[in-house]
Formats: sequence, structure tokens, C-alpha cells
Amino acid sequence: DVKVTQSSRYLVKRTGEKVFLECVQDMDHENMFWYRQDPGLGLRLIYFSYDVKMKEKGDIPEGYSVSREKKERFSLILESASTNQTSMYLCASSLQGHLSGNTIYFGEGSWLTVV
Amino acid sequence: GESVGLHLPTLSVQEGDNSIINCAYSNSASDYFIWYKQESGKGPQFIIDIRSNMDKRQGQRVTVLLNKTVKHLSLQIAATQPGDSAVYFCAETRTGNQFYFGTGTSLTVIP
Repeated sequence: DVKVTQSSRYLVKRTGEKVFLECVQDMDHENMFWYRQDPGLGLRLIYFSYDVKMKEKGDIPEGYSVSREKKERFSLILESASTNQTSMYLCASSLQGHLSGNTIYFGEGSWLTVV
Repeated sequence: GESVGLHLPTLSVQEGDNSIINCAYSNSASDYFIWYKQESGKGPQFIIDIRSNMDKRQGQRVTVLLNKTVKHLSLQIAATQPGDSAVYFCAETRTGNQFYFGTGTSLTVIP
């Protein structure tokens, strides 16, 4: 089975702190994604990556950055956390390709509270 | 952005009844669709998928129906159980690299 692991399930950080959310997948997937999920808004894409050292902005990249130094690992960075970044963050991965059928798999989520 | 939406935000069903959750999509070029289940405090779990060259696909107690004419997707859960209580949402993709998600329907199973 595909395993997407988010190392931190629950975090509480102070405004202005730098926050790292780590994600590792074990299925050699090329694509990795970071979403945030807020009530009533569904999943919103922050950043995604198609390959090592490659990143693309999603729909809401402001206030975030990412790092993909290794294929299996995709990190989300909040340079200076703010209270409006309190949310659930979901990491996901999928195989790459134009062919349909490449399911996207999610981690268990990281609940971030910024106080 | 892509419009992938659900007709009903909440759904309550009696235990043992069948559940139907609907999803509309706006892009006729979408060629792959997925249903996810998300329990409280957990990440979304893959339930079932369907490609655009199919109209119906069945899994264990779940069936997905795809109507490309009206761009509509539905998830049917047979003999709904309390453990089926969760948020269900659909996803679609055209490229296989970017996915678009609905906001979800909250299913409550009444014992």
C-alpha cells in the first residue's frame, strides 16, 4: 500500500515563527502536493512538485515555500507563521503522467495552530 | 478554477439504507475521477475511481456512476453502516498531474 507520512500531526506555533511540515512517501511517486483544508473551503493547493528540486505554485502559495531535495520528501515551510495559517495541512503524492488512473494518495494531515 | 461541486453538503441516512452522494464537474475534458472518504481528524482515503471510458464501476459495497452527458458523478453506498459516517468528496483530473476537489458531503448514519 502507498504510504504518505506526515511527521507532525499536531503543532502549536507562535506568530512569526518559522514552521516546517515534513512529508515522506514510500512509493517512488514523482508528484507531491501540499494542500490546506479549511471548513467549507475544501482542499486548496499550496504548492506541488513534479520532480526533485522542482516546484510549482498552486492556488494559494502566498506565505509558504517548499523544498524537494529528495524524491521521497516534500517539505512545506511557513517563513513567518500568522494566525490565518491555522489550518489542517495535507500532503499527497501520485505517479506522474498524462495517463488517467494515477490516483493521488494523502497523508493523515498536520493540524497547525498559530497563536 | 475548476468547478467540482457536490449537490448536498449534508446527508443523513438510516443504518442499512443505501446512500447516494452526488458530484458535478464542469470540464468535459476530465478523464479520471476519484471518490474519497475522510473521517474526522484523518486524511482522505481512496474509495473508488473511474475512468471516463466507463459508466459504472463497483467495489465492495460502493458503486460509482459516471454520466458524461451531464457531467455528473455519483457514489452509491449499499447497506450503509455507522462506520460509513464521514465526509465524502470527489476529485477529477484531466492531466493526471493536477487534481481538483469538491468541497465534500457530510454523511451521517443514524443507528
